[in-house]
Amino acid sequence: GAGVSQTPSNKVTEKGKYVELRCDPISGHTALYWYRQSLGQGPEFLIYFQGTGAADDSGLPNDRFFAVRPEGSVSTLKIQRTERGDSAVYLCASSLGLAGNEQFFGPGTRLTVL
Amino acid sequence: AQSVTQLGSHVSVSEGALVLLRCNYSSSVPPYLFWYVQYPNQGLQLLLKYTTGATLVKGINGFEAEFKKSETSFHLTKPSAHMSDAAEYFCAVRETGNQFYFGTGTSLTVIP
Repeated sequence: GAGVSQTPSNKVTEKGKYVELRCDPISGHTALYWYRQSLGQGPEFLIYFQGTGAADDSGLPNDRFFAVRPEGSVSTLKIQRTERGDSAVYLCASSLGLAGNEQFFGPGTRLTVL
Repeated sequence: AQSVTQLGSHVSVSEGALVLLRCNYSSSVPPYLFWYVQYPNQGLQLLLKYTTGATLVKGINGFEAEFKKSETSFHLTKPSAHMSDAAEYFCAVRETGNQFYFGTGTSLTVIP
């Protein structure tokens, strides 16, 4: 497809479980971002990849959160031992990575932790 | 630290009236500035951006924004609101690094 895709669109899990969220960026986009958006808030930065490496992971809230992008394209956000406070919409965006380039967002994954 | 402030979490305008959504930022260097729109159950879509050059930027759907360095503002305007403009609007700032900082959003309601 032409845009950023994210799967699943919705994920319901129980407290303490492990989840993986997937992001397929636009082809050719070297930069990939993960954000978390809570109800009534703007997107909150989590992590940024340039190519395969995590160039900035300062937004990850704690060590339960981890993300990978092994081949410089698809990325997976992994959350261990989920907590109810992790419930949010997780957004992925990609860009050409150059200063001034806008990000293109996916539709998000709505995570609900019961 | 970078911050983005959107004054007014909810704005209501009549159809055909002027739309004004406010955004102020804090930055120690000239930033890149963006406005995104989010329609219900959809992803964020870029409306317009300021990088360099002309401070008045025109975007899609008749929106425009003006970068005012002295006021550290980047307010979004549209001369005549349409029902289809009802959505959530986010202002975002990027400095020299790669982090984007988003405001908390403004929900626009258009009254027929």
